[in-house]
Amino acid sequence: GDSVTQTEGLVTLTKGLPVMLNCTYQTTYSPFLFWYVQHLNEAPKLLLKSSTDNKRTEHQGFYATLHKSSSSFHLQKSSVQLSDSALYFCALSGLDTNAYKVIFGKGTHLHVLP
Amino acid sequence: DAGVTQTPRHEVAEKGQTIILKCEPVSGHNDLFWYRQTKIQGLELLSYFRSKSLMEDGGAFKDRFKAEMLNSSFSTLKIQPTEPKDSAVYLCASSQQGQFYAEQFFGPGTRLTVL
Repeated sequence: GDSVTQTEGLVTLTKGLPVMLNCTYQTTYSPFLFWYVQHLNEAPKLLLKSSTDNKRTEHQGFYATLHKSSSSFHLQKSSVQLSDSALYFCALSGLDTNAYKVIFGKGTHLHVLP
Repeated sequence: DAGVTQTPRHEVAEKGQTIILKCEPVSGHNDLFWYRQTKIQGLELLSYFRSKSLMEDGGAFKDRFKAEMLNSSFSTLKIQPTEPKDSAVYLCASSQQGQFYAEQFFGPGTRLTVL
């Protein structure tokens, strides 16, 4: 079945450094990928989304490129800030009769140190 | 526009009690989702409604979990009877109908603790 894998449960790094959060997926359908961010005690919010192969999408300093050849949609930022500390979810929606259903990865906690 | 609202924000229940969580979706959204969020399992889909019709009842959660949508602007999630393993954050989300690429808008969640 369809699935989303986020390999890191926790990523800790110092302010100003670059970060990449991994996301790979499995689906037999044409994929639509999302990144959601959830700050402590807040609701998850959409950060990025894409369905276009090999095209970089950006928002709030974060960027990701959907690579269908490797089934990946890694989230990157060139210089993390303290305010980026949050839980990041990768999610997949497929073009299918059940396309309404979004499958979420288990999330990666990003902890940015001063 | 108001976002998704959920009440209560916190709930403490004794094992065996019945609890009802409430959700109001974004006005005009026809898709409504209930999720359970835990550190171990992440986000798990409990129920999905499209235009008030139940499309997905969450499989393993059918037993003690029942979601209802009596009108387009209000949904409830009943857990009966509660068990300690139900302790989690319950999130409600809504999106525009029929768009698989539609952004889901989440409420702030209800943190349930079952003693």
